[in-house]
Amino acid sequence: QVQLQESGPGLVKPSETLSLTCSVSGGSINNYYWSWIRQPPGKGLEWIGYIFYNGSTKYNPSLKSRVTISLDTSKRQFSLKLNSATAADTAVYYCARVDGVDFDYWGQGTLVIVSS
Amino acid sequence: SSELTQDPAVSVALGQTVRITCQGDSLRSYYASWYQQKPGQAPVLVIFGYNNRPSGIPPRFSGSNSGNTASLTITGAQAEDEADYYCNSRGSRGSHLVFGGGTKLTVL
Repeated sequence: QVQLQESGPGLVKPSETLSLTCSVSGGSINNYYWSWIRQPPGKGLEWIGYIFYNGSTKYNPSLKSRVTISLDTSKRQFSLKLNSATAADTAVYYCARVDGVDFDYWGQGTLVIVSS
Repeated sequence: SSELTQDPAVSVALGQTVRITCQGDSLRSYYASWYQQKPGQAPVLVIFGYNNRPSGIPPRFSGSNSGNTASLTITGAQAEDEADYYCNSRGSRGSHLVFGGGTKLTVL
């Protein structure tokens, strides 16, 4: 059974970098995309981007200039960095495995608040 | 605004059938997947690959596609089906992914 778990600071100051890590247990890292999604309080889901097991990445065009997703297959972890954070980046951040276009396994989510 | 459009809210009487729709140009080329999200929980995949259900999803959930519209149908809605439902697919550029704005389903 595949399980994902997000970790990282729950509070980030404006203009700083939001950094999260997702740890993957069970299943194979290979042949899947590994993705980040966020959900502002009371709002819908927003795809942030994904990384393929070979290291290739795709990002949401609206966030592309500020986002970096990386993968460490030896640690079975992938990470999100979002630069120049603002209050608009306050959200629950989810990591998920993507099979084609299907987000088939999700982490429980972690709330990140951007505030001074 | 999202490249995939969903009605914000839909209601259904207990035991009746409800259809939740998702519209977007990319759906003419790519299928939509569907997710159920209950308050305080992560989304759960309920339909993938046009009309496939992951293990554990009841058969009352089904999916379909026609033109630029994908639909999630719940046949015989139960109280536990009350949730937010999101569609997702590829965006107009094909390489990125998008979610619909979500539909809040109320079971009366």
